[in-house]
Amino acid sequence: DGGITQSPKYLFRKEGQNVTLSCEQNLNHDAMYWYRQDPGQGLRLIYYSQIVNDFQKGDIAEGYSVSREKKESFPLTVTSAQKNPTAFYLCASSIRGLGDEQFFGPGTRLTVL
Amino acid sequence: GENVEQHPSTLSVQEGDSAVIKCTYSDSASNYFPWYKQELGKRPQLIIDIRSNVGEKKDQRIAVTLNKTAKHFSLHITETQPEDSAVYFCAALTSGTYKYIFGTGTRLKVLA
Repeated sequence: DGGITQSPKYLFRKEGQNVTLSCEQNLNHDAMYWYRQDPGQGLRLIYYSQIVNDFQKGDIAEGYSVSREKKESFPLTVTSAQKNPTAFYLCASSIRGLGDEQFFGPGTRLTVL
Repeated sequence: GENVEQHPSTLSVQEGDSAVIKCTYSDSASNYFPWYKQELGKRPQLIIDIRSNVGEKKDQRIAVTLNKTAKHFSLHITETQPEDSAVYFCAALTSGTYKYIFGTGTRLKVLA
């Protein structure tokens, strides 16, 4: 399934807590992405990174933060500022260069209690 | 901003019939158009893609057509089987960016 992993698979959070979702890839891909998927919806881009130590906001970045200290890793932090964080979160990666296939991780389902 | 519209949102077909899903994109600079299949609770997986310099691409029972003038592209699945039941997403990538814009998905049900 492409060498991109996410953990944990399920995550429960109390309101007001920050939580970090892990994404790791061993595909030697430069570009990495975080998407949010709500029931019956498409994928909405949160953040993306084209190269180590660089990242850009997507369409719904408010309440989220990322880092890209290593090529293999692109963790996403869901902060308490995100008002409606319950969703399915998907990480993806692609070879640097445009028009390349994105490989998706298995996803993390976050539920706020 | 960039937008991709996808229709229909749900589609039911009898096993063996064909299914067609259509997407329209807004940015004429888009040059790469992948289609993903997502089963319930699973990750999206690429099933076929097409670039803007090609009008049609086929892979066994799956084909994609692109009309650049009209800015729309379509997924065609022939001889549908129950295992084709899933949600299908189209996407468009704008030239010069890394940003993929996704459609809202089509839930395909193949009735045995």
